[in-house]
Amino acid sequence: LAKTTQPISMDSYEGQEVNITCSHNNIATNDYITWYQQFPSQGPRFIIQGYKTKVTNEVASLFIPADRKSSTLSLPRVSLSDTAVYYCLVGNAGGTSYGKLTFGQGTILTVHP
Amino acid sequence: NAGVTQTPKFRILKIGQSMTLQCTQDMNHNYMYWYRQDPGMGLKLIYYSVGAGITDKGEVPNGYNVSRSTTEDFPLRLELAAPSQTSVYFCASRQGFNEQFFGPGTRLTVL
Repeated sequence: LAKTTQPISMDSYEGQEVNITCSHNNIATNDYITWYQQFPSQGPRFIIQGYKTKVTNEVASLFIPADRKSSTLSLPRVSLSDTAVYYCLVGNAGGTSYGKLTFGQGTILTVHP
Repeated sequence: NAGVTQTPKFRILKIGQSMTLQCTQDMNHNYMYWYRQDPGMGLKLIYYSVGAGITDKGEVPNGYNVSRSTTEDFPLRLELAAPSQTSVYFCASRQGFNEQFFGPGTRLTVL
């Protein structure tokens, strides 16, 4: 499985755009990228998923360059309620470890007033 | 749909005791997962299943066992509980390569 590396923590202020980058240098051809958000004492919650280029939904955008060795989660105009831990996962769509999903250390995002 | 349900929500065990953490999903998902999360840390995969009758080890399987006799249920068995197994346990499920849905977690303390 591809190993992921994220910044341990980030700080931002309300109303700003936040970009969290995840490195996954050994991503395989069939792997896809998924981001989750976790609040204290809760299970992670799905944010967005993509394979290449750009994906956008109602809460975030995901940018994936052509080489797919990294990805960037973009949160527009964050609020205090976006303070959470954000995880980048690289999922295996085939091969002997299909179905296996592991989490990295995550990025602690703190949004200040 | 109730989604992914876990029981119990809290449990205190004595060293050496055993217990089963229950996980049920009503979404007919083929994949199911067990993770543990220690305080201030990320989630570690214990076991996972890609369908009924098929299970495989994750990153930290020692001290645990699982079974998957039905699509809906994926119980996690702790034998001979140890203080190192004090953690929050999350069960999750997903269909194909779509998003994982997580349960509310079981907070386990081993004293």
